[in-house]
Amino acid sequence: AQTVTQSQPEMSVQEAETVTLSCTYDTSESDYYLFWYKQPPSRQMILVIRQEAYKQQNATENRFSVNFQKAAKSFSLKISDSQLGDAAMYFCAFRTGNQFYFGTGTSLTVIP
Amino acid sequence: GAVVSQHPSRVICKSGTSVKIECRSLDFQATTMFWYRQFPKQSLMLMATSNEGSKATYEQGVEKDKFLINHASLTLSTLTVTSAHPEDSSFYICSARDPWEAGWNEQFFGPGTRLTVL
Repeated sequence: AQTVTQSQPEMSVQEAETVTLSCTYDTSESDYYLFWYKQPPSRQMILVIRQEAYKQQNATENRFSVNFQKAAKSFSLKISDSQLGDAAMYFCAFRTGNQFYFGTGTSLTVIP
Repeated sequence: GAVVSQHPSRVICKSGTSVKIECRSLDFQATTMFWYRQFPKQSLMLMATSNEGSKATYEQGVEKDKFLINHASLTLSTLTVTSAHPEDSSFYICSARDPWEAGWNEQFFGPGTRLTVL
């Protein structure tokens, strides 16, 4: 069975500081993709960053980067220079084949 | 990026009635669409996978006779909640995959539909 675990239900960060959201997953598949999605109060799911499992290099998108540890099945998200607009629910997700699996989410608060 | 729309964004209905929610891919053809349900402050729960021209594949525990899914065209999938009851009240989100998007990596989400059953 495929599972995605986000152990931090809530996190907070001071504006302009850095925060890391953790995610672990479990799978026996060798070919898969990992994602972080953001869900602001509008409830629209927005892709933040994605990582192909076969790539060793960690993905980066501007202020967002991941620390992908394949052996440990860990996929954390680092947000640098946090902004007020980063406040949202963040979901880690995993895709294998045609199936997506989501973690339970981490609610991020950005303190001005 | 690809755009997915949902209609309506909010619907309130009486218990026992049926409600149809539409999911459209606006600028691409989606052979596969997904329907999720999300309870307050919880994660997305996959209800079913909808493939154009064929029957939907439902996740375990989802009643296919209650949640009717039709994917009649490459740009439209519908979810009908039949004989709705208050416990069906939830936020329903659809997503679609663009088969021409490199690597089939991503799914594009609709803005969601909030269903309230009185």
